[in-house]
Order: sequence, then structure tokens, then C-alpha cells
Amino acid sequence: GAGVSQSPSNKVTEKGKDVELRCDPISGHTALYWYRQSLGQGLEFLIYFQGNSAPDKSGLPSDRFSAERTGGSVSTLTIQRTQQEDSAVYLCASSLGGLAGAETQYFGPGTRLLVL
Amino acid sequence: DQQVKQNSPSLSVQEGRISILNCDYTNSMFDYFLWYKKYPAEGPTFLISISSIKDKNEDGRFTVFLNKSAKHLSLHIVPSQPGDSAVYFCAASSPTGANNLFFGTGTRLTVIP
Repeated sequence: GAGVSQSPSNKVTEKGKDVELRCDPISGHTALYWYRQSLGQGLEFLIYFQGNSAPDKSGLPSDRFSAERTGGSVSTLTIQRTQQEDSAVYLCASSLGGLAGAETQYFGPGTRLLVL
Repeated sequence: DQQVKQNSPSLSVQEGRISILNCDYTNSMFDYFLWYKKYPAEGPTFLISISSIKDKNEDGRFTVFLNKSAKHLSLHIVPSQPGDSAVYFCAASSPTGANNLFFGTGTRLTVIP
């Protein structure tokens, strides 16, 4: 079956523009996560969706970042008024959605965002 | 503040020898630990995990050791193969924290043929 897919794979944008990153989780996975990896950094948690519950947004670095998950499946991460420090690889992961922390998360290939 | 630390950014090992990747953590509430492997241009893939009720978990060539008193875990790969060359991330989670994993910064393993 298909794994987690993300689009676009690469995105170059100008400072101040808005960008949307898309994630298609594995079918049947109710938990979805967004992480980002900046140069030389580990993966940084951004946001977590579990079923129809309110998302855990505790990792979003600023109010320019938002995410939604429509129909419990596809998720979109939106960055408004992008800044150069937003340049990173944005990774999406999904899991079955039971014991969240103890589950294997399956990662997509990531979207490489470069803000000029 | 980095709660999971991988202090060695890189490691080179001869093919056939043992690779030991280390990871330290600061949060005593972490109760589940995972290792992920990442190839260039791909997302991380799950490798092996260990619960805090154990001190060792083995899966083929991969063994993870957990020392709770030292808040330290390590991944042993033996024998190392060139295909093991990748970035290895240590990750941890807690039952009371957010529903996410805390990742280290990764160690790039190069296995020399």
C-alpha cells in the first residue's frame, strides 16, 4: 500500500509570500504529525492531529504557522508571510492512532522549503 | 532546549565492525525510545524501539540498550554493512507529554567498505 506522501517535494518562495504544504497520510491512520528539520537540527515537532479531537498545536513556532486536516485524512500546513528562517525540510508522519507516543510513526519524504 | 541529544554528529566504521550510536536524554518521564534511520531525500524510517521497562531489545543486527539511571541509550549495529550508511535519529516520548516524539539531532553513520 501507499506510504505517506507529501507535496510539493521542493518549494522555493520569496520572503513574505504564503506557502501551503500538503500531506496524505497512510489510509486508516488516524494520527498525523508535522515536524520540521532545519539545517543541523533534529526534527522539531510542530502539530499533531488525532481523529476528530482538537489538534495539539504546542509546537507551532509562531502564529504565521497553521495546519488543518480535512475529513480526518489529508492535512495542509500553511506558512504565512514566510521568513528566511522558515527554510527547512517539513516532514509529515502518520500512525495508527492508538498509544500515540509508543506507536511507530511513518514519515513522508518531506517538503524542502527554501525562502529567499 | 534539546531534551534528546546525540552528541556525535558523525561516525565512520569499517564494514563488518560494530557501530555504536549514542543518545542521551534529560526528561525522566520519557518511557519509550525509538531509533529512526534516514537516507538522503527520504523521510525517516523506523528501525527499532525499546520500552523503559526493558534494558535491551534486539532485532537481527540491531540492538538497543537503555540505561535509565544514566538517561542514556545506544544503538549497536553488528556487523555493519555499507547499506547502513545513513543518518540515525534517536527519539523519545512520554505518556504525559504531548503526543509527539522528541528527536535528537542525528548521527551520520558511514560504513566504509
